[in-house]
Amino acid sequence: QKEVEQNSGPLSVPEGAIASLNCTYSDRVSQSFFWYRQYSGKSPELIMSIYSNGDKEDGRFTAQLNKASQYVSLLIRDSQPSDSATYLCAVPDNYGQNFVFGPGTRLSVLP
Amino acid sequence: GAVVSQHPSRVICKSGTSVKIECRSLDFQATTMFWYRQFPKKSLMLMATSNEGSKATYEQGVEKDKFLINHASLTLSTLTVTSAHPEDSSFYICSASPMVKDDEQFFGPGTRLTVL
Repeated sequence: QKEVEQNSGPLSVPEGAIASLNCTYSDRVSQSFFWYRQYSGKSPELIMSIYSNGDKEDGRFTAQLNKASQYVSLLIRDSQPSDSATYLCAVPDNYGQNFVFGPGTRLSVLP
Repeated sequence: GAVVSQHPSRVICKSGTSVKIECRSLDFQATTMFWYRQFPKKSLMLMATSNEGSKATYEQGVEKDKFLINHASLTLSTLTVTSAHPEDSSFYICSASPMVKDDEQFFGPGTRLTVL
């Protein structure tokens, strides 16, 4: 059974700082990785996907993947109070159909 | 693109009644749709996976006779909570995987169910 782990937080950063969110997963066969943002009372929203080792940048967001270490992270540059949310890491299961979600990290950006 | 809608967004019902929730992929065809439940301050819990034209696959501990899922077309799946009880009150969220990129999931806005 694949497992996805995240620090539950809360992670507090001041406005304008870099927020670093981490995720580890339990197996070496995973090929795709997803970061979702979920505001309180809302459904998750896909913000980044990453498939290859290294960095992938999209605006203020950078996903970093290290398959050898089974580690994927999300960096948010110039954090804004509107970034305050729970960030979920998701990895397809061994059949590639369902997602295994991490428990989420709650980020709080302080003005 | 990749928009998923859910209806209704909020429903309040009496104990013992049944509630149907619709999930639609608006601008893509979905091979697979997923139903999740989320309690306050808790993580998403997958309830079932449905593929168009076949029976849903339920996760362990989810009663298939209580949570009826119908995936009648490539753009519509429904979840019916039968004989709802207060403990069924939760946030129900569907997601859909596009046929052209089935390793991604796009979520609907969710349905908040309150059973009195």
